[in-house]
Amino acid sequence: KQEVTQIPAALSVPEGENLVLNCSFTDSAIYNLQWFRQDPGKGLTSLLLIQSSQREQTSGRLNASLDKSSGRSTLYIAASQPGDSATYLCAVKTGANNLFFGTGTRLTVIP
Amino acid sequence: EAGVTQFPSHSVIEKGQTVTLRCDPISGHDNLYWYRRVMGKEIKFLLHFVKESKQDESGMPNNRFLAERTGGTYSTLKVQPAELEDSGVYFCASSETKATASLNGYTFGSGTRLTVV
Repeated sequence: KQEVTQIPAALSVPEGENLVLNCSFTDSAIYNLQWFRQDPGKGLTSLLLIQSSQREQTSGRLNASLDKSSGRSTLYIAASQPGDSATYLCAVKTGANNLFFGTGTRLTVIP
Repeated sequence: EAGVTQFPSHSVIEKGQTVTLRCDPISGHDNLYWYRRVMGKEIKFLLHFVKESKQDESGMPNNRFLAERTGGTYSTLKVQPAELEDSGVYFCASSETKATASLNGYTFGSGTRLTVV
């Protein structure tokens, strides 16, 4: 059974700092991995999607990497801003066509 | 293009009552998924529709939950009778095809926060 773990559960950083969020999964037989952002009381916003054949994806200040064989992904946020404060979730898609989510990392960027 | 729409955004009901959640997927998306997050836990899969057919309902917790997608458009998720442990946030997602889901991922709605008291 696929299990997804995110470390740390919570993170506070001063504005401007670069940071890394971690995601690990137990079964490497995945189709893709998706990083989401969730603001309080809001839905899930897709940030980046990495196919199983890819190593990384970039969007603006965000860079996500995937090491499928070791079951790990990282989300790198450069030059963090207070507006980046949110919960970040990673999810892997399996052949069963559904997503397995981690419990998320709650990020606070302090002005 | 309108996104995935869910309503109500918040529902508070008493234990034993019935609640119906609704999801309108992106127009033209054949695949519709329900997920939920209960307090302190990760978001978990409930079920998957392809058009009006249930493709996979392995995540449905018990027979108090009934999902329908008549006509292959919007979907409803009914909880009857509701129990305290059903409290959480119920998310809906859609994708155009299975292949699209693999390529582009899923689009999620903003969720319905259900509180059973």
